[in-house]
Amino acid sequence: QVQLQESGPGLVKPSETLSLTCTISGYSISTGYYWGWIRQPPGQGLEWIGNIFHSGITYYNPSLKSRVTISVDTPKNQFSLKLSSVTAADTAVYYCARQMGNNFDFWGQGTLVTVSS
Amino acid sequence: QSALTQPASVSGSPGQSITISCTGTSSDVGGYNYVSWYQQHPGKAPKLMIFDVSVRPSGVSSRFSGSKSGNTASLTISGLRAEDEADYYCSSYTRSTTWVFGGGTKLTVL
Repeated sequence: QVQLQESGPGLVKPSETLSLTCTISGYSISTGYYWGWIRQPPGQGLEWIGNIFHSGITYYNPSLKSRVTISVDTPKNQFSLKLSSVTAADTAVYYCARQMGNNFDFWGQGTLVTVSS
Repeated sequence: QSALTQPASVSGSPGQSITISCTGTSSDVGGYNYVSWYQQHPGKAPKLMIFDVSVRPSGVSSRFSGSKSGNTASLTISGLRAEDEADYYCSSYTRSTTWVFGGGTKLTVL
């Protein structure tokens, strides 16, 4: 069974960079598929952030593209998210997910990241 | 990119059927058969319920079905049960090789 687990700081200061890692078990990231990040501000809906193929090809949400970097670490079976110059509007639960085709079939449990000084 | 449009809330009684709509444009919902639906219970991660407009993943009840007409996709839940009460989100592939979600619909089982 594919499992994903997000990890990283739960509190980030404004203007700094948010960094999260997603560790995959039960599936080798190098086998294929896209791997994505989705976020959900408290009480709000889902927002697609971006995704990455195991080869390193990335696609980003145009509204976040200037601040987002997604990378993959194949030996560690992980992929990561960096979001720079964060503000309170970036406070959200961040999910990592496997993207099978054009849908997200396996999700991590999510991790709350709060932007505050 | 703009979020897909969903009704904020829908409700129904046990045993009834409800339909949740998801409206986009010809650049997303209308242009591709790549609409998916997710169920999210409070405090939980979303769960894939329908993909490619009308395909149910293994293990998802046949009470859930999807369809599409033009720029609007729909999720229908028949034989409504208390455990179906949750938030539902649609998602679509877009012409820009990005993916977009709907704003979400809260389903209340009366």
